[in-house]
Amino acid sequence: NAGVTQTPKFQVLKTGQSMTLQCAQDMNHNSMYWYRQDPGMGLRLIYYSASEGTTDKGEVPNGYNVSRLNKREFSLRLESAAPSQTSVYFCASSESSGTDTQYFGPGTRLTVL
Amino acid sequence: AQSVTQLGSHVSVSEGALVLLRCNYSSSVPPYLFWYVQYPNQGLQLLLKYTSAATLVKGINGFEAEFKKSETSFHLTKPSAHMSDAAEYFCAVSGAGRRALTFGSGTRLQVQP
Repeated sequence: NAGVTQTPKFQVLKTGQSMTLQCAQDMNHNSMYWYRQDPGMGLRLIYYSASEGTTDKGEVPNGYNVSRLNKREFSLRLESAAPSQTSVYFCASSESSGTDTQYFGPGTRLTVL
Repeated sequence: AQSVTQLGSHVSVSEGALVLLRCNYSSSVPPYLFWYVQYPNQGLQLLLKYTSAATLVKGINGFEAEFKKSETSFHLTKPSAHMSDAAEYFCAVSGAGRRALTFGSGTRLQVQP
């Protein structure tokens, strides 16, 4: 049981480049989330997916897009990376709603030059 | 909307001393409250969770937290700190909409020998 896995672990991009962060969970959870973590700001929600086929914006969605590919996978895409998107990105999943325990992946450390 | 305030971005205690990490929340509905811990270069893991069943919640590794509605607080305590408790701790709330968590900015706990 791997839990929540994220790829890649590290990435360096140049301004304007695009990339997709991958997330998968093997716990048969319905809900999945993308957060970014910046020093002194805690975790901020970028997008979430309450169930397969649905996605909703969180607190800081600008510059990002998401795809809930199936029940297991939830990807985050940066179409044109900016230095302000330098951050650590965490994917999480939970059985259903926001009241359930969320399980986190190990994170992706992204630097945009 | 809901919010979380964690007082003190850094807390330092001696090994064996009491640990007290403060969390105050605001929510327009009865909240669900969480404490998560993040060890260096890892994702977050759940310490404990309040879901209105009992005001004193016991978690893993000897931590506990007490929900005080009148003070809108959910402080985390541990009677005796261990070196292994050194980590960053996040308080989070699930409030109106119950869709996702809102995190505080985190408190880094340092344990001195």
